[in-house]
Amino acid sequence: AQTVTQSQPEMSVQEAETVTLSCTYDTSENNYYLFWYKQPPSRQMILVIRQEAYKQQNATENRFSVNFQKAAKSFSLKISDSQLGDTAMYFCAFMINNAGNMLTFGGGTRLMVKP
Amino acid sequence: EADIYQTPRYLVIGTGKKITLECSQTMGHDKMYWYQQDPGMELHLIHYSYGVNSTEKGDLSSESTVSRIRTEHFPLTLESARPSHTSQYLCASSSNPGETQYFGPGTRLLVL
Repeated sequence: AQTVTQSQPEMSVQEAETVTLSCTYDTSENNYYLFWYKQPPSRQMILVIRQEAYKQQNATENRFSVNFQKAAKSFSLKISDSQLGDTAMYFCAFMINNAGNMLTFGGGTRLMVKP
Repeated sequence: EADIYQTPRYLVIGTGKKITLECSQTMGHDKMYWYQQDPGMELHLIHYSYGVNSTEKGDLSSESTVSRIRTEHFPLTLESARPSHTSQYLCASSSNPGETQYFGPGTRLLVL
């Protein structure tokens, strides 16, 4: 079975600063995907970034980037130039590459961006 | 945003009532999922479907039931609501292997 751990229940950052959210996972699989999702207060869960485990290059999406360390089973999310709209719950998730596309979620990190 | 819809968005109902939470997607996705999430907490998979007439229970035991008669529609039913069912219910869908799951806006259920 796979497990995903987010060790930071809550974090805060000043607007325009950079923040890194931690995620570690445990699996015996070699072919998988990792995701970061964002869930703003009372709003829809949306995908922030996706990483394929067989790719060594870290995924980036505008101000969002990941540090994927496969050997260490670590998948942290870096948010640069934080904006007030980044305030949300962030969930790290793991998916084995099979037909089911089942996600295993971490417990989430609540991020507050302060003006 | 993904084309996945949930109704109602909010529901307050008395104990013992039967309720159905609707979920529809217009993306033609074969896989659909239901999650239960308490406020600010992690998501727990309660049901999933790999296609029409396919339904399975998830990791978290739930008294709810689901059906998948049409590809685009995946309703969740509670025959007799109880206060312990108070939660947020999220529906999601996905298609090709490795494809992300797209989430609906959720239904917040309060059972009095």
